[in-house]
Parts: sequence; C-alpha cells; structure tokens
Amino acid sequence: AQSVTQPDIHITVSEGASLELRCNYSYGATPYLFWYVQSPGQGLQLLLKYFSGDTLVQGIKGFEAEFKRSQSSFNLRKPSVHWSDAAEYFCAVDNYGQNFVFGPGTRLSVLP
Amino acid sequence: NAGVTQTPKFRILKIGQSMTLQCAQDMNHNYMYWYRQDPGMGLKLIYYSVGAGITDKGEVPNGYNVSRSTTEDFPLRLELAAPSQTSVYFCASSLEGTNTEAFFGQGTRLTVV
Repeated sequence: AQSVTQPDIHITVSEGASLELRCNYSYGATPYLFWYVQSPGQGLQLLLKYFSGDTLVQGIKGFEAEFKRSQSSFNLRKPSVHWSDAAEYFCAVDNYGQNFVFGPGTRLSVLP
Repeated sequence: NAGVTQTPKFRILKIGQSMTLQCAQDMNHNYMYWYRQDPGMGLKLIYYSVGAGITDKGEVPNGYNVSRSTTEDFPLRLELAAPSQTSVYFCASSLEGTNTEAFFGQGTRLTVV
C-alpha cells in the first residue's frame, strides 16, 4: 500500500531563514505528489503538485518542491520564511488515481 | 464561490448517539472524499465516491456509512458514536480523481463523550 512519511513532526525557524520540509513516499509506480498547507482551524489548501516532467515544481506563496526518484523524496522548500507561513504542512501521494494518502504532517513555527 | 461546505462546524455527541455530517460542493466535481484528522496521524480516508451512486471504503471505514445520491452531496453517517470517533472530519472534492486539485471543506470538529 502507498505510504508517506514526514520525519519531522515540528520544525521551528526564524523569520527570513530558509526552510526545507522532508517527505518520503512508498509507491509502486510513478506517483502524483502533493503538498498541502493547513492554517489553524482551516481546511487544507494545495501548495503545489508533481505529475511528471520537470522535477522542480513551483507553487503558491513562494514554495517549491523537488522530486527525487532515486531517494523517493519530494521535499518542500522556501528560501525565506514569513511569519504567515506558520501552519501545518502535509505531503500526499495519489492512490492509483482514486484518492489521496497523506503523511502525518509537519508543524512549522516561525520565530520573529 | 462556496466550494465545499461542511455542516455543522462543531458537535458534541453522547456515546451511542447517531448523527450525519453534511458535505456539499457546488463545483460539479465527480470525486468526493471523507477524511478524519487525528493529532500526529495526518488524514485518514474513511470513504470516497467517484460519482453519484458509487461509494467505496477507505482505510478506516468502520463505524461510518455514506451515500451519494447526487453529485453535490456526500453525507457521512455515524450510527453508534464511540469515543474513538472523536476527531476532526474533512470533506473534499476533486473534478476527476487525483490528477485534479482537491478542494477541502473547513472541517467538523466532533467530540464523543
């Protein structure tokens, strides 16, 4: 079965610092990969997705992610974090086109 | 632009009671999903539907039922509430499976006491 791991439960960074959130997946074929963000008390919003092609994908709010097949990873990055980026971030993989399998999430705190 | 609407936002149930969580979308999406979110566990799929009249179990379907009589609505039924069903429930929809963006509702926070 498909699975997604996010090794970091909670990350704290200073405002203006760079950010990298890790995601690893287990999948039997070329996956569709996603990053979602959840602000407190809200639903999830899609940041970016990878289907095929260029392995570096750009998303909203200045985020990007890189697909590395050899490492089964899809890490999310941002060069300079803003206080408004504090939220929970979920990596997800598609389940044979039918639904989404989510990782456990990484909570991001931003220090002023 | 309502998107995905979930009602109620909050609910407290007593053990053994039943209730229906409502979910409606106005985007004419074929696929709809119910997830539950527990701390540190991410989102777990309860049920999903690929179109009106078609539903299928996800990872954690026990204690829940769904129906999909229309494209717009996808209610989730809890028949005999148990404390283990205390969670935040999210409904989502996508136009055509996972190759199209999924839109999420605001969630329903359910507490079973």
